[in-house]
Amino acid sequence: GNSVTQMEGPVTLSEEAFLTINCTYTATGYPSLFWYVQYPGEGLQLLLKATKADDKGSNKGFEATYRKETTSFHLEKGSVQVSDSAVYFCALNNQGAQKLVFGQGTRLTINP
Amino acid sequence: DGGITQSPKYLFRKEGQNVTLSCEQNLNHDAMYWYRQDPGQGLRLIYYSQIVNDFQKGDIAEGYSVSREKKESFPLTVTSAQKNPTAFYLCASSVTQGAVGEQYFGPGTRLTVT
Repeated sequence: GNSVTQMEGPVTLSEEAFLTINCTYTATGYPSLFWYVQYPGEGLQLLLKATKADDKGSNKGFEATYRKETTSFHLEKGSVQVSDSAVYFCALNNQGAQKLVFGQGTRLTINP
Repeated sequence: DGGITQSPKYLFRKEGQNVTLSCEQNLNHDAMYWYRQDPGQGLRLIYYSQIVNDFQKGDIAEGYSVSREKKESFPLTVTSAQKNPTAFYLCASSVTQGAVGEQYFGPGTRLTVT
């Protein structure tokens, strides 16, 4: 079946540090991959996406590259800010299926 | 602005009462979804609907019911049969035709049952 495994949190970094949140997936087909962000008390916001191998999704300084050979979609940012503190979810949609499969989420805290 | 509206943001109920959570979207999306989120947990799918007057059970449908009488609206009823109803409930919607499958989420409703 389809599944997503994320780096366990919580992750705590200092402002301006480099961020990596690991995400690997298992899927039988050629899924689309997503990163969502959830700020405290709010819904999820789509952060970035990639729909085929070697695609790079990017938004607000965050990037993730669809690596089919390693079935990974790691989230990176070169210099984090306090405002990036949130929970980040990796997700996949397999060949237009009507359901997203989510990872368990990674809580990120950035200290000033 | 197009988006998804959930109301109310906070909801309090006594045990044994049914409660209905509202979800409205003006994105002209065909599909709508309900998720449950517990503290420190990921999202679990309750119900989803791909078209008006049709819906399917998700992974944790027991104790919940839905209706889809209009494309814009997908209310969720938490019944007294749901053993642990206190949670954060999220509604989402998506395009179905020719889509890569991303979903757009509302702001959520936090339900507390005592």
